[in-house]
Amino acid sequence: DAMVIQNPRYQVTQFGKPVTLSCSQTLNHNVMYWYQQKSSQAPKLLFHYYDKDFNNEADTPDNFQSRRPNTSFCFLDIRSPGLGDAAMYLCATSRDWAFGGRLDQPQHFGDGTRLSIL
Amino acid sequence: SQQGEEDPQALSIQEGENATMNCSYKTSINNLQWYRQNSGRGLVHLILIRSNEREKHSGRLRVTLDTSKKSSSLLITASRAADTASYFCATGLGNQGGKLIFGQGTELSVKP
Repeated sequence: DAMVIQNPRYQVTQFGKPVTLSCSQTLNHNVMYWYQQKSSQAPKLLFHYYDKDFNNEADTPDNFQSRRPNTSFCFLDIRSPGLGDAAMYLCATSRDWAFGGRLDQPQHFGDGTRLSIL
Repeated sequence: SQQGEEDPQALSIQEGENATMNCSYKTSINNLQWYRQNSGRGLVHLILIRSNEREKHSGRLRVTLDTSKKSSSLLITASRAADTASYFCATGLGNQGGKLIFGQGTELSVKP
């Protein structure tokens, strides 16, 4: 089945130690998203890629970076994790993006990576 | 404040009962979507309703949209213990491509 896969499911890192989370998709979708979700809160969009074009949300901290080496893979890098970065990180895809326009498509999510900071 | 706000924050019902969750939003939308999230898992898309639609059905799910009141509701009929999850509404905004803004969610507990 086509899907979005995130690895690892659980990640523990030390305060200030860089960490990378990965996401792969077999849907061949053009758009990949990274969300941060803290306990009992709404998922918050960090950034998205349309193909290789990177789009950062205005309030995403500089500590968060992303790479998309090809259509299938996308990585989230946290350069110096702080205690406030402990959260569930969700990767999602959608087939298209409508520049300045309307798009009625669902997003497809992976099961997330729960990040803990020691 | 959030684009989407959900009500109630938590809902506890018995198996077989209906569950209704509401979502209100502030700005004009292209579509409104509902997602389910089981504990510790990702979000699963349930249903998408476009701004020119008023009601949509999918199995035991019924979604309504009232753009004049900027609100939507999700009805789950004949609920089952397996419906226990958090339910999120998400709005697709006019000129922002595929971007979605999620509400805070309703935590539904269905007791057997």
